[in-house]
Amino acid sequence: DAGVIQSPRHEVTEMGQEVTLRCKPISGHDYLFWYRQTMMRGLELLIYFNNNVPIDDSGMPEDRFSAKMPNASFSTLKIQPSEPRDSAVYFCASSGTVGNQPQHFGDGTRLSIL
Amino acid sequence: AQKITQTQPGMFVQEKEAVTLDCTYDTSDPSYGLFWYKQPSSGEMIFLIYQGSYDQQNATEGRYSLNFQKARKSANLVISASQLGDSAMYFCAMREGGADGNEKLTFGTGTRLTIIP
Repeated sequence: DAGVIQSPRHEVTEMGQEVTLRCKPISGHDYLFWYRQTMMRGLELLIYFNNNVPIDDSGMPEDRFSAKMPNASFSTLKIQPSEPRDSAVYFCASSGTVGNQPQHFGDGTRLSIL
Repeated sequence: AQKITQTQPGMFVQEKEAVTLDCTYDTSDPSYGLFWYKQPSSGEMIFLIYQGSYDQQNATEGRYSLNFQKARKSANLVISASQLGDSAMYFCAMREGGADGNEKLTFGTGTRLTIIP
């Protein structure tokens, strides 16, 4: 079975540019999560969706960040405009409904803002 | 207070020995779940093992077992017969609340495990 698929794997761009990260969750999973990992702050939950609806976006750093899930098989995390402090690894994860199901992570997108 | 505490930033263990990675947690919710993830140097996050707060027995998955001490609020990961491929970062995480839609995971800061040949 295909796991969580993220693209791109690496992104290098200049500050001020718009960045779009993409995620395809595991088929049948109805929860989708976006995380950010940095050395300073560790793994932080940014936002999560249930059945394509945003449930908790309290971890989104600021208005420059936005996330959408237009359908059950696709989600985007957008940063506009990007800043050097946004440099991090961004993970997407998905899980099923039953409470003890683990979150399965994608391979992450390593984002560098110059 | 930190919800998940991993007090060992790094550990070095001889190959084939058992290793225990510590994790303590803080919650007032009677229903919660504890997870361990492995992150190798390649960067992916790999789910290892799960323990529910109401589970009567300690979870086991192959060489991984979870030493769950509810009264002490600890959920230590035990890896038996360590292998070179076990070298990685290990994260403990908690999900609070029952099956009511609260799916947020809180992660600890991780322990970097290095297996010495």
